[in-house]
Amino acid sequence: DIQMTQSPSSMSASIGDRVSISCRASQSVSSHLSWYQYQPGKAPKLLIYEASRLKTGAPSRFSGSGSGTDFTLIISSLQPEDFAIYFCQQTYSEPLTFGGGTRVEIK
Amino acid sequence: EAQILESGGDLVQPGGSLRLACVGSDVIFSNYAMSWVRQAPGKGLEWVSGISGYGGSTSYAASVKGRFAISRADSRNTLYLQMNSLRVEDTAVYFCARASCSSTSCPLDFWGQGTLVTVS
Repeated sequence: DIQMTQSPSSMSASIGDRVSISCRASQSVSSHLSWYQYQPGKAPKLLIYEASRLKTGAPSRFSGSGSGTDFTLIISSLQPEDFAIYFCQQTYSEPLTFGGGTRVEIK
Repeated sequence: EAQILESGGDLVQPGGSLRLACVGSDVIFSNYAMSWVRQAPGKGLEWVSGISGYGGSTSYAASVKGRFAISRADSRNTLYLQMNSLRVEDTAVYFCARASCSSTSCPLDFWGQGTLVTVS
């Protein structure tokens, strides 16, 4: 199975901050990497797919980059509704695996 | 509002069975792959099972293979997860999610809010 490792596991940030979240795969997943936002009690949302493609309707302050084993999610200017848990997921091979999540909290 | 609604979560004893279902409202399941994903208390997300868009292919996480069975009824826009021989470690919120294409290896572009399964 491909292991996905996210860092940091949690972070505190302020409104307007630029936030960067890392995701590393234990082997190459090419560009088959997605990012999701999860607010407990709500349905998770797909933000980014194929490493860098923004899902239609997702805010443009979210961007993704990387390929192979190293990926990054950037929130260019943190908004109040962005405080959530972010997960990466590889869709390169089954079983599809998720990172452990990064909790973004209010500073 | 388009949504996916899961049901069937409950408290069950170890060794018991449950069947989860999810229905799409203004979210079409037909021709799209579907998956079940779970989150155990204090843990991250774990993909559990997937079924291809035409129902011909199913796949399972090693932790549930042989105990869980995924199926779909596109005429009813419904996905199921039959869970047998439940274990304490199956305790989790179970999410139903639609993939963005007919393959189970596609991103999950629409999710439900989840249903809680407690095995105790």
